[in-house]
Parts: sequence; structure tokens; C-alpha cells
Amino acid sequence: DTAVSQTPKYLVTQMGNDKSIKCEQNLGHDTMYWYKQDSKKFLKIMFSYNNKELIINETVPNRFSPKSPDKAHLNLHINSLELGDSAVYFCASSQVLTSGRTDTQYFGPGTRLTVL
Amino acid sequence: AQTVTQSQPEMSVQEAETVTLSCTYDTSESNYYLFWYKQPPSRQMILVIRQEAYKQQNATENRFSVNFQKAAKSFSLKISDSQLGDTAMYFCAFGLQSNYKLTFGKGTLLTVNP
Repeated sequence: DTAVSQTPKYLVTQMGNDKSIKCEQNLGHDTMYWYKQDSKKFLKIMFSYNNKELIINETVPNRFSPKSPDKAHLNLHINSLELGDSAVYFCASSQVLTSGRTDTQYFGPGTRLTVL
Repeated sequence: AQTVTQSQPEMSVQEAETVTLSCTYDTSESNYYLFWYKQPPSRQMILVIRQEAYKQQNATENRFSVNFQKAAKSFSLKISDSQLGDTAMYFCAFGLQSNYKLTFGKGTLLTVNP
């Protein structure tokens, strides 16, 4: 009974290709995130969705497009992959509390993307 | 903008000993959370402990405890009775209660030696 799951765990592809990473959470949370962890292990937020609405869009190239079909799913599509896109991509989820505060974020296992 | 600084890129400790990892942060906000996440070689991000800024009492989770100094904007993690399984990268993170994103430090690689 995995809380936050991602597929695939590993993705190796050629430059210029288009690929997608999928994320699902069964925690009943209403907010989901994508983070990128670079080769130096630095984690940075890319996007956040709350109730399927995009609420955070950091400075990310337009080639990255998130999609949230429902509260439990958040996918990341990447067009025209570049060498610099190689990284580990983490999905996370959390719940906005009745007070309006956001609660702890729980992370998926990560997807290691390698662009050749 | 919030920043999180972890000044120790690497640390090591002998099994069963105690180690403290440092974290400082910068913010002008008053309502926030602080977290320590652990990332073992499996790369899974695991929540270790969290602290709400309005709580004066330091959070504790079994062998893990924090020293939260709000005025100094310091949030250190103490690991007691270190175990081999504690070997991991440890990330300090800051989150505003009104916001939806975490800001991470660059991490401290902790190695527990037998």
C-alpha cells in the first residue's frame, strides 16, 4: 500500500525525445508537487497543484508541462529532452488543513531520468 | 525569499555515538514549519522530524531530536545512539504555512562507521 508512487523509476532516453513521468498518491491529499534533484543532490520545486489547479510554477522551461487529471494524480511531460534534464524527479503530496495551513509533504521514490 | 543553509557537506560518526547536524535559515515570516528529511542510498526521501515555528518545545522522534532556536534561526538535528542504517544524506527544509513549497538546504552526507 504505497502512499506516493511514481512510474517509471528509471528512464533512459535520447536527446530530443518526449517522455512522461506519472505520479499517484493514495493518501487523500489535495496538493501535489514536482521537485527536481540535480547531480549535486540539490532539490528544487518545479510545480505544485492544489485540487487540480496549478498554484506554483517556478522558473521551468516551457518544455516541461505538468497535468493533473484528478487530485490523486500528477503527471509530468517533458518535450524535446536535453542533456541538462538528466536528474531525479520527485513527486510529493500534502494536505491543506482546515486552518489553511499546508501540512507535511510526503515524497514518492523518485524517477531517475538519464538523457543521452 | 527564504534560504536554508547547511554548512556541513559531510560528517561521520561512530556507531552508538551522538551527532548533531546544523541548519540555519533566513526568513521574515513568522508562521512556518521546519523539517529534516533523510535520503538513504535507495534515494527515497523520508521525513525524519518536523517542527512548527510557533511551538517552543523542541520536537523529538525516538533517537532524533531538534534544537530549534527561533531568534537565531537555527534548527539542528541531533541523532543519538547512531546506527548504521542512519547513513544517508540529510536535508533541512523550510516551508511557509501559507505556501505550498519547501525550500531545501544542500544536504549533509552522514556516514555512520562500525
